[in-house]
Amino acid sequence: QVQTMQSGAEVKEPGASVKVSCKTSGYTFSRYNIHWVRQAPGQGLEWVGWSAPNSYDTNYAQKFRGRATMTRDTYISTAYLELTSLRSDDTAVYYCARGTTAAALDFWGQGTLVTVSS
Amino acid sequence: DIVMTQSPDSLAVSLGERATIGCRSSQSVLSDSNNRNHLAWYQQKPGQPPKLLIYWASTRESGVPDRFAGSGSGTDFTLTISSLQAEDVAVYYCQQYHRTPSLGYTFGQGTKLEIK
Repeated sequence: QVQTMQSGAEVKEPGASVKVSCKTSGYTFSRYNIHWVRQAPGQGLEWVGWSAPNSYDTNYAQKFRGRATMTRDTYISTAYLELTSLRSDDTAVYYCARGTTAAALDFWGQGTLVTVSS
Repeated sequence: DIVMTQSPDSLAVSLGERATIGCRSSQSVLSDSNNRNHLAWYQQKPGQPPKLLIYWASTRESGVPDRFAGSGSGTDFTLTISSLQAEDVAVYYCQQYHRTPSLGYTFGQGTKLEIK
């Protein structure tokens, strides 16, 4: 069965960077897009971007361009999201999710809480 | 940017009654390449990641009870729960996809569904 395991919670100071990992199993990682979505405390869902199976093609939401970088390691079926120049409003749970050909997100990780605080 | 607006923000419905949630997109989500609406619905319970319920506006994901139904096309969509069960208490989100890279994916603000 499809499983997704994300890295543990992080606490960072403003201006620092964070890198979240998303390890998958139970399907052919190299055939699917991986999306990143975040959710600030008590707030709704915000799409960050997606990375394509070839590891080269990516698309970021406008507000994250220049600060977010999505990468993938096909050999260990793991995707990564790095966010730089962290601010307090980046405090959120960051989810990875598998993208489908129907442009929906069908399997989600459990989420990684990133707290930005001095 | 494409804006997704859900209505209402919150909703209280009696057990066994019908619940209806609306979602309006600022631009059409009908794809001219496959004639499908790239509109999905998710359910999120506290402390859990979202769960995909509906894709292509009206196709139920495998394992989703048939009391959940999606409808609509273009810019206006509806999620209907035909007979509310206690386990349906959650926040529901719609999500669109536009193939223009600068537009990408967008979620609605969410609708909180409770028992009356």
